[in-house]
Amino acid sequence: DIVMTQSPDSLTVSLGERATVNCKSSQSVLHSSNNKNYLAWYQQKPGQPPKLVIYWASTRESGVPDRFGGSGSGTDFSLTISSLQAEDVAVYYCQQYYSSPLTFGGGTKVEIK
Amino acid sequence: QVQLVQSGSELKEPGASVKVSCRASGYTFTTYAMHWVRQAPGQGLEWMGWINTNTGDATYAQGFTGRFVFSLDTSVSTAYLQISSLKAEDTAVYYCARVGGNGYYLSWFDTWGQGTLVTVSS
Repeated sequence: DIVMTQSPDSLTVSLGERATVNCKSSQSVLHSSNNKNYLAWYQQKPGQPPKLVIYWASTRESGVPDRFGGSGSGTDFSLTISSLQAEDVAVYYCQQYYSSPLTFGGGTKVEIK
Repeated sequence: QVQLVQSGSELKEPGASVKVSCRASGYTFTTYAMHWVRQAPGQGLEWMGWINTNTGDATYAQGFTGRFVFSLDTSVSTAYLQISSLKAEDTAVYYCARVGGNGYYLSWFDTWGQGTLVTVSS
């Protein structure tokens, strides 16, 4: 199984500042056949289901603000919120879909300072 | 628009069974695989497995074999999760989630149900 490890567990950032969440996979999720990283990011606000933010490690889902960006390749990935807004307070999860079983990171809670 | 609507919260006694439904709309149900994800209170997301909405074949993650059954009724575009012999540790929110992309099961989840809270308590 591919283990997904996120860091930090929680993050406190001032409004308008940059927030970065990290995700590391125990093996590469880069598929050689198409040179794509099988990595997604989700945002979950309290009492709500997760919402897709990023897939293929860096492709923003339709409707997601462009302050959200995904980067990385192979085993190391990041989700960056370039200018944190109040509505971005949430728990963020990474997920690999390279192989079964699909696995999630443990989550990173992003809060306002 | 694509939507997944799940059945309401359930309170069950230990040993009972529960069946959670997930009704899809806004797309061709049999084109996209459907997954189930569990979230225990205050915890993270745990993948339970998936069902091929074209064939009805189900695949279960380790830890979700035996008491957990995925099924379909394609005539009403609905997926089901049944849990038998409920235990206190089954208390969680259960989500159905549709894959994105071309519908292949190894994919991100682009649409989630609102979640169904199953509480197991005597």
